Amino acid sequence: KQEVTQIPAALSVPEGENLVLNCSFTDSAIYNLQWFRQDPGKGLTSLLLIQSSQREQTSGRLNASLDKSSGRSTLYIAASQPGDSATYLCAVIRWGTDKLIFGTGTRLQVFP
Amino acid sequence: DAGVIQSPRHEVTEMGQEVTLRCKPISGHDYLFWYRQTMMRGLELLIYFNNNVPIDDSGMPEDRFSAKMPNASFSTLKIQPSEPRDSAVYFCASSLSGTGETQYFGPGTRLLVL
Repeated sequence: KQEVTQIPAALSVPEGENLVLNCSFTDSAIYNLQWFRQDPGKGLTSLLLIQSSQREQTSGRLNASLDKSSGRSTLYIAASQPGDSATYLCAVIRWGTDKLIFGTGTRLQVFP
Repeated sequence: DAGVIQSPRHEVTEMGQEVTLRCKPISGHDYLFWYRQTMMRGLELLIYFNNNVPIDDSGMPEDRFSAKMPNASFSTLKIQPSEPRDSAVYFCASSLSGTGETQYFGPGTRLLVL
């Protein structure tokens, strides 16, 4: 059974810091991995999608890497801003399914 | 496009009552997903549809839950009878196709069963 874990569960940093969020999964037979952002009381917004054949994806200040063999992904946020404050979730899709399995999330707070 | 639309946004009901949650996916999307989010269990997939046909309902917790998709632009998730442990945020999401495509989430329905 696929399990997805995110560390840390919560993170509080001052504005301007570069930070790394971690995601690990137990079954390496994944089709892709996705990172989402969730603001309080809102739905999820897709940030980055990494196919299993890819090593990383970048969008603006965000960079996500994928290491299938070790079952890990990291989301790097450069020059963090208060507007980045949200919960970040990673999710994987296993080969042969259309089902997203979500991690537990990292709650990020960036203070001015 | 307005994105995925869910209604109601908030629902408070008493134990034993029937609850119906509604979702309108993004036009042209073939896949529709229903999720439930709680503090204890996080985000869980309940059921998903492809071209209005239920594909996998293994996440539906029990027979009290049912979901339908009568056409490409509308889906319902029904709980009958509702119980306090059903209190959660229910999300609907849609995607253009299945595996590998980005899912677009609605704002969710916050359900409280007293």
